[in-house]
Amino acid sequence: QKEVEQNSGPLSVPEGAIASLNCTYSDRVSQSFFWYRQYSGKSPELIMSIYSNGDKEDGRFTAQLNKASQYVSLLIRDSQPSDSATYLCAVNPGTGFQKLVFGTGTRLLVSP
Amino acid sequence: DGGITQSPKYLFRKEGQNVTLSCEQNLNHDAMYWYRQDPGQGLRLIYYSQIVNDFQKGDIAEGYSVSREKKESFPLTVTSAQKNPTAFYLCASSIIPDTQYFGPGTRLTVL
Repeated sequence: QKEVEQNSGPLSVPEGAIASLNCTYSDRVSQSFFWYRQYSGKSPELIMSIYSNGDKEDGRFTAQLNKASQYVSLLIRDSQPSDSATYLCAVNPGTGFQKLVFGTGTRLLVSP
Repeated sequence: DGGITQSPKYLFRKEGQNVTLSCEQNLNHDAMYWYRQDPGQGLRLIYYSQIVNDFQKGDIAEGYSVSREKKESFPLTVTSAQKNPTAFYLCASSIIPDTQYFGPGTRLTVL
C-alpha cells in the first residue's frame, strides 16, 4: 500500500513567522510531488510541484524534496492569516500514468 | 476563461434515487478524475479516465458509474447502491501524467 503521511495538526504559528509543513511517503520510486492548499468548504488549489531533490521557491513558498529520506516539505515565509487552510501533500508514485496518492492534510492556523 | 466547472454546487438526494454530477473542462486535458472527500479525511479516488471512451475504477468505485464520451466531459452518477453518498465530490483533470487541477466541487447530501 503506497502511503503519504502528514501530521493532521493544527499547526499554529503567529503572523509573520515561518510555517513548516512536512510529508513523508512510502514508495521509494516516487517521481513527482505536489502541494495543494484547501480552504474550508473549497476545492484544493495547486501551490507547488517539485520533481528534483533540493529546494524550489515561488514567492513566499518553498518546497523541499529529499528522495533519499522520502520526505517533502513546504515552507511558508511571512505567514499571513489568509494562509490558514489545510495543506495536502500528493505524490505521483511512479513513471508514466499513475494515480496521485494524497495525504490527509495538515491544518495550518496563522494568528494575527 | 479556461478551467473546470462542476454542477450543481449543492445536490440533495432522496433514498433510492440516482443522481448525476456534471464535470466539464476546457483545458484540453486528456485525463479526468473523480474524488470523494469526507469531513476530516483525505481524497479518495472513485474513477479516472485517461482518454475518451476509456475509464478505470479507483479505490472506492462501488455504487458509482461514469462515462467519457467527450474529452471535455466526465459525468459521475451516484447510484442507489452507494449506501453512504453524503460527501464533497471533486472532479480533476490533468495532462497525463502531470499535475491535477480541481473543479470547485459538488456537495451531495442524502435526505
